[in-house]
Amino acid sequence: QVQLVQSGAEVKKPGSSVKVSCKASGGTFSSYAISWVRQAPGQGLEWMGGIIPIFGTANYAQKFQGRVTITADESTSTAYMELSSLRSEDTAVYYCARDANDLSSSGISYYFDYWGQGTLVTVSS
Amino acid sequence: QSVLTQPPSVSGAPGQRVTISCTGSSSNIGAGYDVHWYQQLPGTAPKLLIYGNSNRPSGVPDRFSGSKSGTSASLAITGLQAEDEADYYCQSYDSSLSVSFGGGTKLTVL
Repeated sequence: QVQLVQSGAEVKKPGSSVKVSCKASGGTFSSYAISWVRQAPGQGLEWMGGIIPIFGTANYAQKFQGRVTITADESTSTAYMELSSLRSEDTAVYYCARDANDLSSSGISYYFDYWGQGTLVTVSS
Repeated sequence: QSVLTQPPSVSGAPGQRVTISCTGSSSNIGAGYDVHWYQQLPGTAPKLLIYGNSNRPSGVPDRFSGSKSGTSASLAITGLQAEDEADYYCQSYDSSLSVSFGGGTKLTVL
């Protein structure tokens, strides 16, 4: 059974950075793209970007370009999302989500069959 | 403002049928990209409900169905149950090389 387990809640000051981890188990990590999706309080889902671990290549939503960095460590089956220059509007639950397709046999599906439990990031002075 | 447009809320009585629309544009749904749907219960992560416009993952009841036409898609729920009360999100891909979500629809079971 595939599981994505994320790191715990964070409280950060405006202007600082946060790094959230997402450890995968129960499946092949490297050949599935991992995306990060956030949800502000009472708001909808917002895709931030994703990475293909086997290639190490990431792509980002235009809104977050220059402020977000998504990486993956194949040796520990862990993906990371680092968001810098935090502001109060970044207060949200951050989710990692696994693409549904195994890239060893097909292309990226761009939909998500497994999600992490979410990590609350609170930005407050 | 979301790229995909959903009604903020819908409601129905137990046993009834409800539909949730998802309107996109020629750069996402209309460009031929598939539409997927997620159910999010309060305080939990989203759960994949429909993929590839009309396919149900294993374990999803056949009361849930999806369709797509032109630049829009719809999620239908028949035989409404109290446990269906949740937020529902449509999702697609955009020619701007970005994943897009709808703003979400809150389903209330009366």
